[in-house]
Amino acid sequence: EDQVTQSPEALRLQEGESSSLNCSYTVSGLRGLFWYRQDPGKGPEFLFTLYSAGEEKEKERLKATLTKKESFLHITAPKPEDSATYLCAVQKVGMKTSYDKVIFGPGTSLSVIP
Amino acid sequence: DGGITQSPKYLFRKEGQNVTLSCEQNLNHDAMYWYRQDPGQGLRLIYYSQIVNDFQKGDIAEGYSVSREKKESFPLTVTSAQKNPTAFYLCASRNRGLGETQYFGPGTRLLVL
Repeated sequence: EDQVTQSPEALRLQEGESSSLNCSYTVSGLRGLFWYRQDPGKGPEFLFTLYSAGEEKEKERLKATLTKKESFLHITAPKPEDSATYLCAVQKVGMKTSYDKVIFGPGTSLSVIP
Repeated sequence: DGGITQSPKYLFRKEGQNVTLSCEQNLNHDAMYWYRQDPGQGLRLIYYSQIVNDFQKGDIAEGYSVSREKKESFPLTVTSAQKNPTAFYLCASRNRGLGETQYFGPGTRLLVL
């Protein structure tokens, strides 16, 4: 069964304390892995797309990496404004229709304490 | 400024009432989507449309209906058949094609009176 899981469910960091969020997936026919940031009461904001194992992308304090089974979102020296829920999503080719399905993980809630 | 707009931000539904959530995009995207978000769960797909005048059921379509008469617009109706409608509803759009990114609107929170 296609599945996307994220860990930890919640993470509390001191300002400046680097860490990583994990996104694991069991999906055949991967076409892309997406990371989003979501603030409370708002829509997800796109961060990165990764397409193949070994790929890395960076934006400010965030760096996303991809292997064949999982992706990591590394946060270097986080600041309080990095506090949000981070969503991972995986896109695969649909088997029965032309629809390329996107499966979302439940998210990791990050709190960065000053 | 290109983007996706959703209205209203908050919506209250009385029992037995149908309500419609608006989604408009000016990104010239062909595909549009409706998701439902509940606390502690991933986004779940309600309906999607890859082209005007065509749409397909997602994983949790029961109690919902949509239309796609214009490329820019994809309204969602929550019918009285949806017994647990309280949730955060998100509209998204993207260009068709493998690996294309979905972009999301700001969301509508639906509450039951």
